[in-house]
Amino acid sequence: DIQMTQSPASLSASLEEIVTITCQASQDIGNWLAWYQQKPGKSPQLLIYDATSLADGVPSRFSGSRSGTQYSLKISRLQVEDIGSYYCQQAHSNPNTFGAGTKLELK
Amino acid sequence: EVQLVESGGGLVKPGSSLKLSCVASGFTFSSYGMHWIRQAPKKGLEWIALIYYDSSNKYYADSVKGRFTISRDNSKNTLYLEMNSLRSEDTAMYYCAKYAGSDYFDYWGQGVMVTVSS
Repeated sequence: DIQMTQSPASLSASLEEIVTITCQASQDIGNWLAWYQQKPGKSPQLLIYDATSLADGVPSRFSGSRSGTQYSLKISRLQVEDIGSYYCQQAHSNPNTFGAGTKLELK
Repeated sequence: EVQLVESGGGLVKPGSSLKLSCVASGFTFSSYGMHWIRQAPKKGLEWIALIYYDSSNKYYADSVKGRFTISRDNSKNTLYLEMNSLRSEDTAMYYCAKYAGSDYFDYWGQGVMVTVSS
């Protein structure tokens, strides 16, 4: 199975700050990478797919990038409504696997 | 508006069986593959099963293979997960999710809780 190593596990940031979360794939997955946001007590929502494409309705302050087998999610100016957990997921091969998650809190 | 509504969860003893349902609306259910994904309390996400739009193919995570069965009834817009020989480690929130292409999940249900405990 492909392992997705996500970091950091938790992150405390201030409003308007730039936030970056990364995922390292254990092998080449091309651009088959998605990011999800999960707000407390809610189900996950798709943010980014194909490593860099923004899902419908997602604010433009979210962006995704790739460098080799490392993938990053960037929030350009943190807002209160961005608080929650974030997960990466590889869609290159079965079984689809997720990163362990990053819990984002307000400082 | 796409809606996915799960039901059928509850508290069961180890070794028991349970069948979850997920009723879909707001899209042409019979045209899309569907997934089940679970999340143990305070833990991350684990994909567990996929069924193609026409039930022609089904895939399972090793952790549930041979114990869980995914199925669907396109005439009822309903996805199912039959769970047998339940273990304490199956305790989780279970989500159904719509296939978005390339094995991404673009819509998720609200989840249904399954607790396996004696």
